[in-house]
Amino acid sequence: QITLKESGPTLVKPTQTLTLTCTFSGFSLSTSGLAVGWIRQPPGKAPEWLALIYWNDDKPYSPSLKSRLTVTKDTSKNEVVLRMTNMDPVDTATYYCAHYQTANHVGFDVWGQGTKVTVSS
Amino acid sequence: QSVLTQPPSVSGTPGQRVIISCSGSRSNLGNRYVYWYQQLPGMAPKLLIYANNQRPSGVPDRLSGSKSGTSASLAISGLRSEDEGDYYCTSWDDSLSTWVFGGGTKLTVL
Repeated sequence: QITLKESGPTLVKPTQTLTLTCTFSGFSLSTSGLAVGWIRQPPGKAPEWLALIYWNDDKPYSPSLKSRLTVTKDTSKNEVVLRMTNMDPVDTATYYCAHYQTANHVGFDVWGQGTKVTVSS
Repeated sequence: QSVLTQPPSVSGTPGQRVIISCSGSRSNLGNRYVYWYQQLPGMAPKLLIYANNQRPSGVPDRLSGSKSGTSASLAISGLRSEDEGDYYCTSWDDSLSTWVFGGGTKLTVL
């Protein structure tokens, strides 16, 4: 059974850097064809894709946020970390990590419960 | 303004069939697969349909997806109260180089 869980601060100040950790089980990020993605959802709005990190360490980012995002993985710990710099109140959202399969074009098939992040001074 | 266009709301009575549409362009739905998610209040999105019309295990066959050209749709037959929630379509966009989402459709079971 695949599970993912996001962790990190619930409140960050403007200009600070947000660091979120996705801890997962039920799969290994060293397995070919797998990836972990980050998606956020502002209150009352649609989801927005942020980044992916593949088993081969390929890391596509959302072009509009690329300059602010860094994603890394620790395969031995089954963890993926997302860093977003220069946080702003418009970045207030629930942040999700999700399991991603390239095989059979399954996509983002299992999501974590999400972690709510508020940006405010 | 979302890249993929969905109706803000649809409704139906128990047992009815409803269809949620998703309209895009050649750079997304025209060339790429569409995916559908259901989101219940306070919950994470749940994958309902992948690769246009494939159901993950556990998703009932009264849900079906289709795509034609730059438009896609999700059909839910035998509507049940537990189907109430928000539904999102998504696809990769080759021009924007990003996953794009529809604005979401709120399904109400009357």
